[in-house]
Amino acid sequence: EPEVTQTPSHQVTQMGQEVILRCVPISNHLYFYWYRQILGQKVEFLVSFYNNEISEKSEIFDDQFSVERPDGSNFTLKIRSTKLEDSAMYFCASSGTGASSGNTIYFGEGSWLTVV
Amino acid sequence: AQKITQTQPGMFVQEKEAVTLDCTYDTSDPSYGLFWYKQPSSGEMIFLIYQGSYDQQNATEGRYSLNFQKARKSANLVISASQLGDSAMYFCAMSPARYNFNKFYFGSGTKLNVKP
Repeated sequence: EPEVTQTPSHQVTQMGQEVILRCVPISNHLYFYWYRQILGQKVEFLVSFYNNEISEKSEIFDDQFSVERPDGSNFTLKIRSTKLEDSAMYFCASSGTGASSGNTIYFGEGSWLTVV
Repeated sequence: AQKITQTQPGMFVQEKEAVTLDCTYDTSDPSYGLFWYKQPSSGEMIFLIYQGSYDQQNATEGRYSLNFQKARKSANLVISASQLGDSAMYFCAMSPARYNFNKFYFGSGTKLNVKP
């Protein structure tokens, strides 16, 4: 069964460093997302991406964050200067047609980011 | 504003019994999707079941069924014949049509423990 894959599964970084989290969405999907989950808390929407541009973003997704689809298969999340509060599990997800009519979004296994 | 409420932070159920996990939501959108996800201790998010706001019948997927009561804005998940492998966090989520179903709002989750 097709799946969303993410790398790395776990990364430890120093505060102030740049981090890039990588994702390979399901191949025929058109919508891509990043969500995050701070330990013990709910999953929070960060950004959605369609047709090579951001379609929605949350207040969490400030200027420190950016997303890119550098080629036909990868979808990346960059955090320019990490802060301690960026420590979280970051989930990439994708969907075929914007999750309408029951076409749900499929999550990757997550990238656990620890900022020290 | 969109809001998902899961009032049960933790629940216990005996193996082979049925359990209901509660979810209420608040939205002014006439069209939306409702979803349940399972998050085992390993961290991945696994899609379980979907209900559209205009669907007349309650959704079912194997041992999972969704008790959708639109007037009460509730979308409870029923797991029949619980198994030990059902022990996990369960998240209710909603995706409003106004964002083209591109944005999911998650509840705070219910931790289910299945006892042998």
